[in-house]
Amino acid sequence: GAVVSQHPSWVICKSGTSVKIECRSLDFQATTMFWYRQFPKQSLMLMATSNEGSKATYEQGVEKDKFLINHASLTLSTLTVTSAHPEDSSFYICSATETSYNEQFFGPGTRLTVL
Amino acid sequence: AQRVTQPEKLLSVFKGAPVELKCNYSYSGSPELFWYVQYSRQRLQLLLRHISRESIKGFTADLNKGETSFHLKKPFAQEEDSAMYYCALSVERSQGNLIFGKGTKLSVKP
Repeated sequence: GAVVSQHPSWVICKSGTSVKIECRSLDFQATTMFWYRQFPKQSLMLMATSNEGSKATYEQGVEKDKFLINHASLTLSTLTVTSAHPEDSSFYICSATETSYNEQFFGPGTRLTVL
Repeated sequence: AQRVTQPEKLLSVFKGAPVELKCNYSYSGSPELFWYVQYSRQRLQLLLRHISRESIKGFTADLNKGETSFHLKKPFAQEEDSAMYYCALSVERSQGNLIFGKGTKLSVKP
């Protein structure tokens, strides 16, 4: 089946620094990737949708200058949390899909803790 | 606005008992609905989707447009069914964005 990986699986950083999270589709070409955020004991909230080679589409309320998304290739999308603050601490999950699929394949998630 | 509601945060049943996890949606267009499952310490994975009308691991779900529901059912719960279940709505015909419910934690006791 289609496999999506994320790196790192967890990261701790100081307030004010930037953190990059990678999402890779390992055995298929992901024309679309999605980034979600999940708070403890809450559901997944879609942050943005990115299509390879074009700018990401952000959901209402998500700061695009804070959460930089790049989808430069068909197998890699990155989410950079810029000038991270403690309130950015969360579980970030990506998913990926290909045009012919009717399903999103999820990565294992990245736990971000900002001190 | 599109919305998915899962009214139960936690559902606890005994092994062998029937299970029904409720899901209601709000969407004026033609919905595409999914159930995703997340077992302990594992990633989210698709359980079933309404368009395929299939049964996976004994689970079924029927789309009821009149009641705007997509409840997940299994006649005899197993301990290995214990997991977090999310109902999701796609507002586009293709893979599109998914709108998730808040999830229901199913606990199957021996």
